[in-house]
Amino acid sequence: EAQVTQNPRYLITVTGKKLTVTCSQNMNHEYMSWYRQDPGLGLRQIYYSMNVEVTDKGDVPEGYKVSRKEKRNFPLILESPSPNQTSLYFCASWRWVSHTEAFFGQGTRLTVV
Amino acid sequence: GESVGLHLPTLSVQEGDNSIINCAYSNSASDYFIWYKQESGKGPQFIIDIRSNMDKRQGQRVTVLLNKTVKHLSLQIAATQPGDSAVYFCAEYGQNFVFGPGTRLSVLP
Repeated sequence: EAQVTQNPRYLITVTGKKLTVTCSQNMNHEYMSWYRQDPGLGLRQIYYSMNVEVTDKGDVPEGYKVSRKEKRNFPLILESPSPNQTSLYFCASWRWVSHTEAFFGQGTRLTVV
Repeated sequence: GESVGLHLPTLSVQEGDNSIINCAYSNSASDYFIWYKQESGKGPQFIIDIRSNMDKRQGQRVTVLLNKTVKHLSLQIAATQPGDSAVYFCAEYGQNFVFGPGTRLSVLP
């Protein structure tokens, strides 16, 4: 089954404690991206990757890191989480053609206290 | 910068009525548009898409209309059902996906 898998689904952590949210896709998609979703603001892009070892900042990259060592995986790293990073996070992937839908993971709800 | 927005944050319709959800976009270079449905606790799911060389596309109970003159996109849902209750996002694709803030559709019994 074609899917994007995120882990964990829920996470409560404390300020400053490094964490990683994993994302994996099984569709051999070139593009992968991380979004955060906050009430009234919709989906805002954090980082995206057009292929292995190629990453670019989205609209809200501050406080986040990503890596793309393998085509299927695109982890999101919060080196020192802060309460303003409490949000719902989605990973998405899509093929590198001009007309193609993005597939989303189930989401990770992160709370930083 | 480019942005995609929706005109109404919430929309309530009676079960069985038709729903129309609107979206405005600003990047005239975008050549692909999608509507997504997000149910509570789930990630966005594809509903229907349309390319910029079209002005209308129909699905099973959904229709997307694209008016490039005024940069307007709409999603029409026929005979709205309780299962249609969700948040609906429009998205445009030029070199990357840009999503609007979403409209929450509530279906009243």
